[in-house]
Amino acid sequence: EDKVVQSPLSLVVHEGDTVTLNCSYEVTNFRSLLWYKQEKKAPTFLFMLTSSGIEKKSGRLSSILDKKELFSILNITATQTGDSAIYLCAVDGGANFGNEKLTFGTGTRLTIIP
Amino acid sequence: DSGVTQTPKHLITATGQRVTLRCSPRSGDLSVYWYQQSLDQGLQFLIQYYNGEERAKGNILERFSAQQFPDLHSELNLSSLELGDSALYFCASSVEGTGTGELFFGEGSRLTVL
Repeated sequence: EDKVVQSPLSLVVHEGDTVTLNCSYEVTNFRSLLWYKQEKKAPTFLFMLTSSGIEKKSGRLSSILDKKELFSILNITATQTGDSAIYLCAVDGGANFGNEKLTFGTGTRLTIIP
Repeated sequence: DSGVTQTPKHLITATGQRVTLRCSPRSGDLSVYWYQQSLDQGLQFLIQYYNGEERAKGNILERFSAQQFPDLHSELNLSSLELGDSALYFCASSVEGTGTGELFFGEGSRLTVL
């Protein structure tokens, strides 16, 4: 059974700090790893990573994947209160193209204090 | 706004009852996924439909069933409800065939079983 473990479970930092969120996984047919941000309700897509060592970046957020060690990190620099959310890591273990079989971790709840 | 519509947004019912949750995917998306998110739990994959056919099944209870109709909207039926079924139920859709793993989530239906 595919498994995704995120750490820490929760994190409280001050505005302006840099945070690193961790995601480790076990999956039989790895295809990609995805990060989502969940604020009040619906998760929204942040990144998809498929290759090791290639950093994906979007503004103050960046993520990298290590397929050998089976983990990924999500970095957020110069945090803002709007970054407060639950960050979900998911692994696509879909065996067939077009079959997005996502297994989600329980998430990291990030709280930014002004 | 992801383009995925879920109704109802909130639902309160009693144990033993049956409810139906409805989802309209984004225009053009053929795949619909149902996820359950309980308190302190990650998103648990329930079931996936593609163009009316069941494609993948996760940890869906026998008391739960789903279907996707010719117009591509989907319904999740939950019967013989128990207190533990109280959760946020998400529907998501995807652009089938790209294998990107990116899902577009609706705002969810919050079910409370009393």
